[in-house]
Amino acid sequence: NAGVTQTPKFQVLKTGQSMTLQCAQDMNHNSMYWYRQDPGMGLRLIYYSASEGTTDKGEVPNGYNVSRLNKREFSLRLESAAPSQTSVYFCASSEYLGSSYNEQFFGPGTRLTVL
Amino acid sequence: KNQVEQSPQSLIILEGKNCTLQCNYTVSPFSNLRWYKQDTGRGPVSLTIMTFSENTKSNGRYTATLDADTKQSSLHITASQLSDSASYICVVSEKDGGFKTIFGAGTRLFVKA
Repeated sequence: NAGVTQTPKFQVLKTGQSMTLQCAQDMNHNSMYWYRQDPGMGLRLIYYSASEGTTDKGEVPNGYNVSRLNKREFSLRLESAAPSQTSVYFCASSEYLGSSYNEQFFGPGTRLTVL
Repeated sequence: KNQVEQSPQSLIILEGKNCTLQCNYTVSPFSNLRWYKQDTGRGPVSLTIMTFSENTKSNGRYTATLDADTKQSSLHITASQLSDSASYICVVSEKDGGFKTIFGAGTRLFVKA
């Protein structure tokens, strides 16, 4: 099992360009998440998907869109990249949504730089 | 506002030594607290989870403690190894029937030979 995979690992964009970050999990998990990690700050939730067919905003959703393509895949799209979106992006999955006991399994991250 | 504060921000120790990392939180109502280890260039991996009624949880050389009254947790690493060099992240979840998880900024640990 690969767990949670993310592509690409690194990306450099110019301001205004668009791109999609891909995430897939092979653990048959129902819930998936997108976070960003910035220096000196904890991971912040961008969007999440409780189950296939549903998506909801997290703490910092502005400038992003998501698609839960199927149970395995959850993509994050930047329509018009801005320097403030320079960050490391992590995708995670868990068996179910909820705060009790559900361990989130994280992908290796995508390091994005917006010039 | 629910917060999770970790200290120190960074720590350097010699291989074989012990160390303790701290986590203070204001999250309420409390559901559980996890410690994650994040190696450089990788995603976080869960080390331990503790609920309100648990004071101590061990995972090999890692021992986490929880004082729910004072809202403090610590992660003790015994006989450190070079492979312990990583960031350690404290994560606290709310007990609200929904989904609310707050991540601390982490403590960066460097273990030197």
